[in-house]
Amino acid sequence: KAGVTQTPRYLIKTRGQQVTLSCSPISGHRSVSWYQQTPGQGLQFLFEYFSETQRNKGNFPGRFSGRQFSNSRSEMNVSTLELGDSALYLCASSSDRVAFFGQGTRLTVV
Amino acid sequence: AQTVTQSQPEMSVQEAETVTLSCTYDTSESDYYLFWYKQPPSRQMILVIRQEAYKQQNATENRFSVNFQKAAKSFSLKISDSQLGDAAMYFCASTLTYKYIFGTGTRLKVLA
Repeated sequence: KAGVTQTPRYLIKTRGQQVTLSCSPISGHRSVSWYQQTPGQGLQFLFEYFSETQRNKGNFPGRFSGRQFSNSRSEMNVSTLELGDSALYLCASSSDRVAFFGQGTRLTVV
Repeated sequence: AQTVTQSQPEMSVQEAETVTLSCTYDTSESDYYLFWYKQPPSRQMILVIRQEAYKQQNATENRFSVNFQKAAKSFSLKISDSQLGDAAMYFCASTLTYKYIFGTGTRLKVLA
C-alpha cells in the first residue's frame, strides 16, 4: 500500500501571498488531518476531515482553511501569509484512530 | 481538555543498552488511545507503538514496549537493545477521536 503523499515537499512564499498544500491519503482511509510543526509551538492540530466534512478544528485563524475531495484527497490553504506561518506542515491519514503521516511540506515565508 | 507532557527534552543511551522515555497525560475521557511516534532527521513521523486505554496489557513491538499506568496517567516507552537507527525525536500523543495532542518531544541520542 502506498503511504501518505504530500506535495510539494518544499515551498518558499512571500508575505501576503497564499499557498495551497496537497495530501493524498492511504487508499481506503477516509480521515485526513493536518498539523503544523514549529520549533516554538511544537506539533499543533489544524483540522480534520472525514468524508468531505470538517469534523475537528484547531485554534488557528481563519486564514487557514482546508477541504477534502470525494476521493479523500485533501488540500489546505493559507491566505495572506505571515512570517510566522513558516513551518513544517504534516498531513496524516487515519483508520481506526491510528494516524499515518506524510513526509510533510516545508513552507518558508520570506 | 487533553494534555500530554514529556519532561525529558533529551536523553542519551549507549548502543545495545535500554532506555525509557517518560510521558504523562491528562484526560477526563475513558475511551482514548496513546501513541509513541518517532521523527528522524527526515522529519517523517513514524508510528512506533500504540496502546488502547481499555486494554490492560502493555503493548509491545519488537524492541519497543510501553508501561501503561492508567490510574497514574503515565505512558512510558522502553527501547531495548538500542541501535544507532533509534536516534530521533520521540513524541508521545493521545487521541480521543482523530485529533491528536502531542507532547513536546524527547530527543534520543544513541552513543556508539
